[in-house]
Order: sequence, then structure tokens, then C-alpha cells
Amino acid sequence: AQSVTQLGSHVSVSEGALVLLRCNYSSSVPPYLFWYVQYPNQGLQLLLKYTSAATLVKGINGFEAEFKKSETSFHLTKPSAHMSDAAEYFCAVSGSGGYNKLIFGAGTRLAVHP
Amino acid sequence: KAGVTQTPRYLIKTRGQQVTLSCSPISGHRSVSWYQQTPGQGLQFLFEYFSETQRNKGNFPGRFSGRQFSNSRSEMNVSTLELGDSALYLCASSLASGTGDYEQYFGPGTRLTVT
Repeated sequence: AQSVTQLGSHVSVSEGALVLLRCNYSSSVPPYLFWYVQYPNQGLQLLLKYTSAATLVKGINGFEAEFKKSETSFHLTKPSAHMSDAAEYFCAVSGSGGYNKLIFGAGTRLAVHP
Repeated sequence: KAGVTQTPRYLIKTRGQQVTLSCSPISGHRSVSWYQQTPGQGLQFLFEYFSETQRNKGNFPGRFSGRQFSNSRSEMNVSTLELGDSALYLCASSLASGTGDYEQYFGPGTRLTVT
């Protein structure tokens, strides 16, 4: 069975500081991993995805994530936070045979203060 | 290219009623998935349709059903509504299905409130 754990339901950073959102996964098959962002009263927007082509994945808005199989992690980072990054972030996993079924973590709400 | 559209955006229903939500995928996309988002349970997969066939189903009661039309548009229906069905229902479309690595694009959701 597949599952995702996001450590920290709330993360607060200063504008310009490093953003680190943690995600650990569990999967019995090679996973496909995704990070999504959700702004208030909106749907989910795909930030980036890992599909085994490269362990360091670059996404939109300056975000990137590194797949570490030994740690079963896929943490999301951004070198310098902007006020506009304040939102909720979700890590998700899918796997071969599961078609397009995404299993999401509980989400991490990112606050950015001046 | 237009994104995923969902109608209606907001809906208020009474316990015991039924409701139908609609989703129009991105042009050319053939897979549509539905998710329920609540504060308590988070984002949960409901079901996926591809080429008018249900490919996968989440752990929801039979009151939740869906279908997909030949133009890939999809509807989901919830019968005998319960208070716990109050949620944001999200639809996602994808080019295809099968390997799990296709990018899914989400609509803005339908906010259902059951009173």
C-alpha cells in the first residue's frame, strides 16, 4: 500500500528565507511523486513531479525537490521565500497499476511573514 | 487552452437529497478523476474514468457514483446526502491513464454544503 506523510502541518518563514517542506512516502512499487500547491478557494496546481528520470526535480515558481530512495523522502525546497508563496502544499504519490489515483499527504500550510 | 471547469462552483443541499456535479476536462484529455477534500479527512480519491470506463474506485459508499461521456466530460452523483458529505469536490483531468505518471490538472472545485 502507498502512503504519504508530511511532517509539519504549519511552517512559517520570513520573506527571503529558505523554504523546506518535508514529505516521506511509503510504496511497494517504484513511486511517482508530486507536489501540488493550493491557494485559498482554488483547486490544486502542480508544482513538480518525479518519475525516475532525475532525482533532483525542478518545478515552477523556483521550487525544486530531491528524491532520496534511501530515506524514502521527497522534500520540497525554495531558496528564497516570497509573500506570494503563502499557501497549502500537498505531496502525493501514485504508482504503476494505480492508474491516475493520487494518494495525498495531509498538507503543510506555509506562512510567509515580512 | 482552457483549463478544467467544474459546475456549479457552490451548492447547498439538504440531507436526503441528491446532487450531480459536472466536470469538463482540458481539451484532448481522456482521463477524469474525482477527489473529495474535507478538513478532517484531507484529499481522498473517489474514482477515475477513462474512455467512459471506471478505472479505479476509492473507499467510498455506493451513494457516490460517476460516469463519463463520449466527449470526456464527467459527472459525479451523490445520493441520499449526509451532513458529512459537505466538502470541496475536485475534478482532475489527464491526457491518459495507466502508468500513474501522467500529470493531472485540477479544476477549481465545487463547494458542497449539506444542511
